Amino acid sequence: AQSVTQLGSHVSVSEGALVLLRCNYSSSVPPYLFWYVQYPNQGLQLLLKYTSAATLVKGINGFEAEFKKSETSFHLTKPSAHMSDAAEYFCAVSEGMFNDMRFGAGTRLTVKP
Amino acid sequence: GAGVSQSPSNKVTEKGKDVELRCDPISGHTALYWYRQSLGQGLEFLIYFQGNSAPDKSGLPSDRFSAERTGGSVSTLTIQRTQQEDSAVYLCASSLGLAASYEQFFGPGTRLTVL
Repeated sequence: AQSVTQLGSHVSVSEGALVLLRCNYSSSVPPYLFWYVQYPNQGLQLLLKYTSAATLVKGINGFEAEFKKSETSFHLTKPSAHMSDAAEYFCAVSEGMFNDMRFGAGTRLTVKP
Repeated sequence: GAGVSQSPSNKVTEKGKDVELRCDPISGHTALYWYRQSLGQGLEFLIYFQGNSAPDKSGLPSDRFSAERTGGSVSTLTIQRTQQEDSAVYLCASSLGLAASYEQFFGPGTRLTVL
């Protein structure tokens, strides 16, 4: 069965610094991969998703992620962190249908002034 | 347009009581999903509906949990004889279809606290 591992439950960066949130997946078929963001007391919002087109996926709020099949990774990056990026980030994998989608445990991003 | 809405936003109940959580999906979305988010953990998939049908209920944590959807729209998640371990945020989501090529939209969640 497919699964996702997010490395680091908590990441702290300074404002303006690079954001790197790590995600490794396991899937028996070419996967769909997702990054979601959750702000306090809100639901999840889709940042970006990979659906076997371009390996570098650009999302909202300046985030992007690169699908690396050889490394089974889908790390999320943003060149320059902003205070408003502080939130919980979830990586998820699906083998084609939402009812089989599995989420990682989440990474809490803190941005220091 | 309106997104996915859930009610109540917060629910505090005593152990042993029954609770009903409601989800209003985006109009026209045939697929609806329930997840549970426990403190410090990711999202646990509970159940999905395609139309009014829930083909697979194996994700429900116990037989105290049940869900229904009527008219292809509103869904309710019912927890009977609540236990303290049921305390969590329950998230609902909907999409145009089950295929992951669609986008899945999440509601704000219901925070359940069982005393």
